[in-house]
Parts: sequence; structure tokens; C-alpha cells
Amino acid sequence: AQKITQTQPGMFVQEKEAVTLDCTYDTSDPSYGLFWYKQPSSGEMIFLIYQGSYDQQNATEGRYSLNFQKARKSANLVISASQLGDSAMYFCAMREGQRVDDKIIFGKGTRLHILP
Amino acid sequence: DAGVTQSPTHLIKTRGQQVTLRCSPKSGHDTVSWYQQALGQGPQFIFQYYEEEERQRGNFPDRFSGHQFPNYSSELNVNALLLGDSALYLCASSLDPGAIYEKLFFGSGTQLSVL
Repeated sequence: AQKITQTQPGMFVQEKEAVTLDCTYDTSDPSYGLFWYKQPSSGEMIFLIYQGSYDQQNATEGRYSLNFQKARKSANLVISASQLGDSAMYFCAMREGQRVDDKIIFGKGTRLHILP
Repeated sequence: DAGVTQSPTHLIKTRGQQVTLRCSPKSGHDTVSWYQQALGQGPQFIFQYYEEEERQRGNFPDRFSGHQFPNYSSELNVNALLLGDSALYLCASSLDPGAIYEKLFFGSGTQLSVL
């Protein structure tokens, strides 16, 4: 079963507007971590933000914030004041548990286009 | 401080051939993970190496194998290439993989085309 679901294959947003990228996840482990990565056309995955399952507050990193709704199992990425350089693929990812051999799994991604 | 480096950046092979991809982790990192990213898809976990041993493996056939060297660099080998192996292969390094918050640092990938 797919554990990370990103339902928006592509989005178009006007420059300077805020944008929300959706992510839902599935896990029965009470301990997990959620990540968002950005992948520009160069191919390199760039870490944006992290949210732990026990964190009480939503994570923020500059223009990025994570809207974490634990009961709904959703972890949406919010980008405020979008810029042309934000055009890229965005991936939601999850790591379950704290065993040393746990891996990070990724969703299928959302392609974001920022329009001038 | 050098990040994760991968070589080569692009590679063209024919069906049935074998290929070796290389990765040097970020300085100070001791764990290397390999991912396969097909066009328009998210990265799929292949395997992870730590202390020169394969610690865990994703749902990939034995044609995919790897190695980690004492300097923590790593190789990904794929034998008997199939057309479906065409993808971007990403290497990621990390430190303290037991920490749930530990993020991955990625290289720019190797684009493999199988003809």
C-alpha cells in the first residue's frame, strides 16, 4: 500500500502568491518523521523542512511551513510569497520508527510552476 | 565542504550490459543510500550501506548490487540491463541514521539510458 500520497501532479501559481502542496501519509507507527524535498531541473534533491510526529508545533523554515494535522495524517507544505525560483518538483517523504535500518520513502511528487 | 558527488552524470548502455555508478558522500557522513527515480515518479529506495555492509534493501532484484568502501564511498552495479532500468539514480548520504530526524543529502544523480 502506498504510504505517501501526493494528489496534485501539477500546479500553476502566480508569483508572490502563497501555495499549498498536499501530502497524506499512512503509518501505524506512533514515531515517524515527515520531510519535504525540492527537486529543481538539475536533479539534486534539496531538503526543505522536517516535522516529527511528536512535535507540538508546525515546523517553519523561512518561507516554508508545514501544516501538520496528525489526526488526518496530512503534512501539507505551504510556501509563502512564491518566487520564480520555486518552480520545481516537490516530494513529501516519511521515515517510520527509530530503528537504525529505517529508510525514507517518497511520494510521487508535485510539479510546481510559478508564473511571472 | 564538498557535498555528495556522483559519477558519471550521464550514461548510455544497451540491453544486457552491466553498469557501475559511483558516489562519494558528504564529508563526515558514513551512510549511503541509493534511489532509482523513473521519469515523472518519486525516488524508489534500492538499498543502504553502512560500515561497508548492505543494511537494508528495497524491492529490487539481485541484478542490483552495491558496495561501500572504507572511505564511505559507494558503488551501485546493475547487471543484465533492461530497458526499464532507464532512470535517474540518486545517491544520498546521511549521518546518524538511527535518528528519525536525520535528513538525506543528495547528489545530482546519474541519468542512465538503456537502449
